[in-house]
Amino acid sequence: RKEVEQDPGPFNVPEGATVAFNCTYSNSASQSFFWYRQDCRKEPKLLMSVYSSGNEDGRFTAQLNRASQYISLLIRDSKLSDSATYLCVVVRSGNTPLVFGKGTRLSVIA
Amino acid sequence: DTGVSQDPRHKITKRGQNVTFRCDPISEHNRLYWYRQTLGQGPEFLTYFQNEAQLEKSRLLSDRFSAERPKGSFSTLEIQRTEQGDSAMYLCASSLDQVSNTEAFFGQGTRLTVV
Repeated sequence: RKEVEQDPGPFNVPEGATVAFNCTYSNSASQSFFWYRQDCRKEPKLLMSVYSSGNEDGRFTAQLNRASQYISLLIRDSKLSDSATYLCVVVRSGNTPLVFGKGTRLSVIA
Repeated sequence: DTGVSQDPRHKITKRGQNVTFRCDPISEHNRLYWYRQTLGQGPEFLTYFQNEAQLEKSRLLSDRFSAERPKGSFSTLEIQRTEQGDSAMYLCASSLDQVSNTEAFFGQGTRLTVV
């Protein structure tokens, strides 16, 4: 089993839609969680960290469920500019590298 | 530009040749990571450094691959006797050494094509 698994894509949604991505991780000792965004042929960039209490940044909401070992990302009122690949990232501990999921591709359609 | 820079951006090489890539991290970052990414996949971890010490290497890093960070600043990734399966985007990232803040900043990558 892969350490980080994500919903298969692509997700094709109309502008204004709400879309949710899920991600599961296998190592229960994992400590830090992130969502990164990667545009086509560009490098990944941090979208948001994921905290145990859940956190929101504008139209984006991230949640963590440690008991079930999954992380979610909710995007409300999708914009064309949200089209990208969303990468779930897990860090086991402070001295280990970031582990990326395969990514979920989102296409927002006009 | 004070971000992570990688050189070259593109490299085409013949099978069997050696290639070397360079990464210059953000100056105050003491962690440096190398990842490899192929089409439709997320970045796969190769190796990482804390200052000049190489702390972890992936099983993906065969004996043809070697990475160095001699003075704890820039890093090089060398691939010897390249194979077609080595064709990928090689991404470098850097971060601060903080447990609570491990945001990694990526360079634009070096795209390797082995023909």
